Amino acid sequence: QKEVEQNSGPLSVPEGAIASLNCTYSDRGSQSFFWYRQYSGKSPELIMSIYSNGDKEDGRFTAQLNKASQYVSLLIRDSQPSDSATYLCAVRLYNQGGKLIFGQGTELSVKP
Amino acid sequence: ETGVTQSPTHLIKTRGQQVTLRCSSQSGHNTVSWYQQALGQGPQFIFQYYREEENGRGNFPPRFSGLQFPNYSSELNVNALELDDSALYLCASSLATGENEKLFFGSGTQLSVL
Repeated sequence: QKEVEQNSGPLSVPEGAIASLNCTYSDRGSQSFFWYRQYSGKSPELIMSIYSNGDKEDGRFTAQLNKASQYVSLLIRDSQPSDSATYLCAVRLYNQGGKLIFGQGTELSVKP
Repeated sequence: ETGVTQSPTHLIKTRGQQVTLRCSSQSGHNTVSWYQQALGQGPQFIFQYYREEENGRGNFPPRFSGLQFPNYSSELNVNALELDDSALYLCASSLATGENEKLFFGSGTQLSVL
């Protein structure tokens, strides 16, 4: 079992719709959770971090964390073509400092 | 822009050669981590440096080594290059090593090993 799992996609949504990206993790010692966006040929860009159960909203983005189910998700409201990218889920274990464990990423395509 | 700079942006080497990649961390950040990202995969943790000491290492062989300098810039060295070392190498900096620290990535070095 992979430590962090994401559907590779591609996930295709129409412009203006809600895109829902999901991630599961295997280690219950996971402490902090991050979503990165990566455009083709570019480096990952941090868009959200979440550390406790529940929802965290930032503009059009909402991260959701459920530690009991070992599940973290990212919702993108009013999706735009510029949101088309690969979204990487990353998890940090307790006391692991700079070591993030990444999923393989979900490719999102927003169609005009 | 994250303020993390990497050089060079692209590099082509042949099998068996050695390579050095460089990274300047964001101002005020004392921790640097290096990641390898193969095509179609998520980044894989190589190691982290904190105050010039290696402070955590992933599942990479000893031919992957690094340095951090007093100004917190860093180098990644790879000896005896193999074809599978072809990847995007990412440097990330953070303020410290705590659980909630956010990592900010540089633009990466694309290494091709022929």
